[in-house]
Amino acid sequence: SQQGEEDPQALSIQEGENATMNCSYKTSINNLQWYRQNSGRGLVHLILIRSNEREKHSGRLRVTLDTSKKSSSLLITASRAADTASYFCATVERETSGSRLTFGEGTQLTVNP
Amino acid sequence: NAGVTQTPKFQVLKTGQSMTLQCAQDMNHEYMSWYRQDPGMGLRLIHYSVGAGITDQGEVPNGYNVSRSTTEDFPLRLLSAAPSQTSVYFCASRERRDTGELFFGEGSRLTVL
Repeated sequence: SQQGEEDPQALSIQEGENATMNCSYKTSINNLQWYRQNSGRGLVHLILIRSNEREKHSGRLRVTLDTSKKSSSLLITASRAADTASYFCATVERETSGSRLTFGEGTQLTVNP
Repeated sequence: NAGVTQTPKFQVLKTGQSMTLQCAQDMNHEYMSWYRQDPGMGLRLIHYSVGAGITDQGEVPNGYNVSRSTTEDFPLRLLSAAPSQTSVYFCASRERRDTGELFFGEGSRLTVL
């Protein structure tokens, strides 16, 4: 079963605009991670936010986490054509040995030049 | 470091054939895992390992075997391929057995006829 659900499924914007993707999950989590996947490639880790954190920044990325609503958002500011990719959220329920990341289905972002 | 290396990148099998997808990492990571990615399904965990000699099942283990004789290698075996196993397979590792970011290979695209 999928823990995270991304919204929207697809997003198309112009270069320079901001892109916001949302992720909702069902159970309590220890941390939530965002990954990026370029077409035909493996996933690349972007950012990890823990359940006791509300916001985190990394370059042009801003991630928020609302544990009361069981949701997270990923904001990419001043988007570039090179940001075109699929973006996935993944959740970790408990940090135990072998703890699993459960992935959502992803948001396909297209940034038009 | 090469990171996570998967071979082969592409493979076509006939129903009933067997094969092994290879995965190697050179980062001395404790945790290794196999995911499959299907359209509309996100990534689903097949098997994982928290160290040499230790493996466990994920969400969709049926039809697959794994072993972890060394820290570096984590092969995935399909014993009798079925069309339902047509998918893109990703190997991923992380430094610690309990938490942290996953490092992904580039994927192996398998088609079962």
